[in-house]
Amino acid sequence: NAGVMQNPRHLVRRRGQEARLRCSPVKGHSHVYWYRQLPEEGLKFMVYLQKENIIDESGMPKERFSAEFPKEGPSILRIQQVVRGDSAAYFCASSPSGRSSYEQYFGPGTRLTVT
Amino acid sequence: DQQVKQNSPSLSVQEGRISILNCDYTNSMFDYFLWYKKYPAEGPTFLISISSIKDKNEDGRFTVFLNKSAKHLSLHIVPSQPGDSAVYFCAASHGRSGNTGKLIFGQGTTLQVKP
Repeated sequence: NAGVMQNPRHLVRRRGQEARLRCSPVKGHSHVYWYRQLPEEGLKFMVYLQKENIIDESGMPKERFSAEFPKEGPSILRIQQVVRGDSAAYFCASSPSGRSSYEQYFGPGTRLTVT
Repeated sequence: DQQVKQNSPSLSVQEGRISILNCDYTNSMFDYFLWYKKYPAEGPTFLISISSIKDKNEDGRFTVFLNKSAKHLSLHIVPSQPGDSAVYFCAASHGRSGNTGKLIFGQGTTLQVKP
C-alpha cells in the first residue's frame, strides 16, 4: 500500500521547542497539501507545495511555521517555538495534479501535543 | 469566514434507512465539491465528488446532489450500515485562474448508524 505516509503519528513537545512533521506522498504525486485540524473543527488549508516550490501558503501563520518539499525526500512542516495553541492534528495530502478536479489523498495525520 | 458550512454536528439513523448529510456554501466560485469520511485517529478518505456542471452523482450506496441556485449539496447514503458511522466532511474547491486546488472544508457531521 503506497499511500500517503506521515511521521511521527504522535509528537509531544514542550513550549518553545521545535516540531518537525514529515510527509511522503503517494508515489508519483508531486503535489502536496498540508491541513490542520483543531479540536472540534474541520480541516483548514495551510500550504500547497510542488517539488522545490511553495505555490500557495495563504493558510500558513506568518511566523514560526515553514514548509518545504525538496527534490528528494519527504515534505516537511516545521513549527518553531511551539505554543499550546499549535496542538492539533496535522494532515498531509497528495495529488497527481494541482487542479481542483483531482482527488487529494490524505495521510493518517500527526497529532501534535504541546505541553 | 466559513465558506463551507455543515450545520448539523451529528446525525443518528437506523441501519437500513437513508442518511442525508447536508452542506451549504457561500462562494459562487466553487466548481468542485467532495465528500470525505473520517474515522477517529485516521486521515480523511475520499468518498464521492461532483462537478458544478452536474446536479447529481451516484456511486453505489452514495449519491451526492448539488443545487447551485441554493448553494447547497447533500450526501445520501442508502441503505445505511453500521460501518458508515464516522465523521463526514464536505469540501469545496474552484479551478478558476489563480486557484491552487486547495480544499475548503466544512466543520463535519458525525453520523451514527444504529444496528
